Amino acid sequence: GENVEQHPSTLSVQEGDSAVIKCTYSDSASNYFPWYKQELGKRPQLIIDIRSNVGEKKDQRIAVTLNKTAKHFSLHITETQPEDSAVYFCAAAGGYQKVTFGTGTKLQVIP
Amino acid sequence: EPEVTQTPSHQVTQMGQEVILRCVPISNHLYFYWYRQILGQKVEFLVSFYNNEISEKSEIFDDQFSVERPDGSNFTLKIRSTKLEDSAMYFCASGEKAPDWIQETQYFGPGTRLLVL
Repeated sequence: GENVEQHPSTLSVQEGDSAVIKCTYSDSASNYFPWYKQELGKRPQLIIDIRSNVGEKKDQRIAVTLNKTAKHFSLHITETQPEDSAVYFCAAAGGYQKVTFGTGTKLQVIP
Repeated sequence: EPEVTQTPSHQVTQMGQEVILRCVPISNHLYFYWYRQILGQKVEFLVSFYNNEISEKSEIFDDQFSVERPDGSNFTLKIRSTKLEDSAMYFCASGEKAPDWIQETQYFGPGTRLLVL
């Protein structure tokens, strides 16, 4: 089955700096890679996703890159703000199947 | 914007009791999922459901678990005889059919926090 590794487990950045979270996956059949933001006690919220037919996607301060050959994908948050503080999960899925989550990155943005 | 809803938000039960967690997926969605998240850990897949049958289940989803879509709107997860280790947040998710073979986006409900004593 799919296995998703995520690094780092914790990340502290100064407000205004960039944050990068990296993930790798094992199943070459995976073709969908969502990123979720989870605030304490709340549901995972989809913030951006990328499908295997594109290599990069951007939405305002958030961007995701995908390297299918190397089986890794990354989340980039620019100009971080305190409200970006949360746990971020990468995930991978293929063809209407389950979403396999990474282990999460606790991001702290220091004002 | 339509959202997945779940009830109850919290459930406390005694070990060995049966619990039913309820979900109302987004109305035009066809794929339904249950996930769980033990406190401080990652979200884990339990089961997926499509066309009134289970399409995939994880090793966590043993004989104590069952799912049902009793009518056109609800999607339930039943745990027959709860164990202490079933204590977790349970998330329902739903997804619409994508126009091609690529995975559809899954939208998560707010979760039910289950505590087994």
